[in-house]
Amino acid sequence: NAGVTQTPKFRVLKTGQSMTLLCAQDMNHEYMYWYRQDPGMGLRLIHYSVGEGTTAKGEVPDGYNVSRLKKQNFLLGLESAAPSQTSVYFCASRIEYSTGEQYFGPGTRLTVT
Amino acid sequence: GQSLEQPSEVTAVEGAIVQINCTYQTSGFYGLSWYQQHDGGAPTFLSYNGLDGLEETGRFSSFLSRSDSYGYLLLQELQMKDSASYFCAVGRNTPLVFGKGTRLSVIA
Repeated sequence: NAGVTQTPKFRVLKTGQSMTLLCAQDMNHEYMYWYRQDPGMGLRLIHYSVGEGTTAKGEVPDGYNVSRLKKQNFLLGLESAAPSQTSVYFCASRIEYSTGEQYFGPGTRLTVT
Repeated sequence: GQSLEQPSEVTAVEGAIVQINCTYQTSGFYGLSWYQQHDGGAPTFLSYNGLDGLEETGRFSSFLSRSDSYGYLLLQELQMKDSASYFCAVGRNTPLVFGKGTRLSVIA
């Protein structure tokens, strides 16, 4: 039982390049989330999904797109990376009607130069 | 909207007790959670309070007062490994909204 995994762990992009971050969970969770974490800013929600085929915007969605084609996978895309997107990205999942417990992946450290 | 306030930094001595406070403003309340995050690591769930009162899990306890929009995390018998950032968060079935975190430094 791997829990929540993220690919890749580290990435350096040049401004304007695109990339996709992959999140996978093997706990059959309905809800999945993408957060970014910047120093002193806590965790900010980018996009989330409440089930296969659904997505919704969070607090800071601009510059990102997501897809949830399969229940176990949640993809985060950057179409044209900007230095402001340099951050640590965390994926999380949880069951429906949980008591606030979310399971986080190990994170992806992204640098945009 | 929702907002949470917690101190940015706290320092405490090994073996002591420390309390990390969290106040929140929300349009609807669905429970207060606490997460721990070590440097370079991912946040991990510590506790959840859906009702007023104290929840205890080993050395950690969490308290909630819904009438005061206030909660705290209490860490007893502090150990060096407790040095980490601690986040409060509100929400249950809705996406969690996190505070900016409190960095706890445990010193000898």
